Amino acid sequence: AQKITQTQPGMFVQEKEAVTLDCTYDTSDQSYGLFWYKQPSSGEMIFLIYQGSYDEQNATEGRYSLNFQKARKSANLVISASQLGDSAMYFCAMRENSGGSNYKLTFGKGTLLTVNP
Amino acid sequence: KAGVTQTPRYLIKTRGQQVTLSCSPISGHRSVSWYQQTPGQGLQFLFEYFSETQRNKGNFPGRFSGRQFSNSRSEMNVSTLELGDSALYLCASKGEGEAFFGQGTRLTVV
Repeated sequence: AQKITQTQPGMFVQEKEAVTLDCTYDTSDQSYGLFWYKQPSSGEMIFLIYQGSYDEQNATEGRYSLNFQKARKSANLVISASQLGDSAMYFCAMRENSGGSNYKLTFGKGTLLTVNP
Repeated sequence: KAGVTQTPRYLIKTRGQQVTLSCSPISGHRSVSWYQQTPGQGLQFLFEYFSETQRNKGNFPGRFSGRQFSNSRSEMNVSTLELGDSALYLCASKGEGEAFFGQGTRLTVV
């Protein structure tokens, strides 16, 4: 069975600084994908970034980058130059099979990020 | 990414009633999944549909059901509502390497 572990229930960061949110995963599949989502208090789950298990380069999307260390089974999210609007809950999620659109996502318990001015 | 529409956004129901939630995925996406989010249990997978067929089902009682139409729109139904069904219900529209969520339906059972 797949499992996602986010060990940081809450994190604080100063505005304009970088922050790393931890995510480790457990799977016996060779082919899988990893997602990060942001959930503000409004409830919407906002897609941030995706990394396939066979992708050789770490994924980046603007201020977001995914530090993918396959051997360590970790997929940490790095947010550079934090902004006040980054304050939200962040979820790491995994899918089995990195191909096709038939899959379910397994989520971690989330990390609540607070950006201080 | 814009395009996943869930209706209604908010809903208040009484115990014992039933409810139907709707999800319209991103144009071109044929796969839709539903999740329940509660403070205690976190995000839990309900079911997944692809081309009108249920492909996966989570560990929920039979009161929870769903379907998908030929235009990929999906509905989920909860019958005989219980207080514990109060939650945020999220729908995911899925393509390869991407899964976008709607804004969710916040259901309160009183």
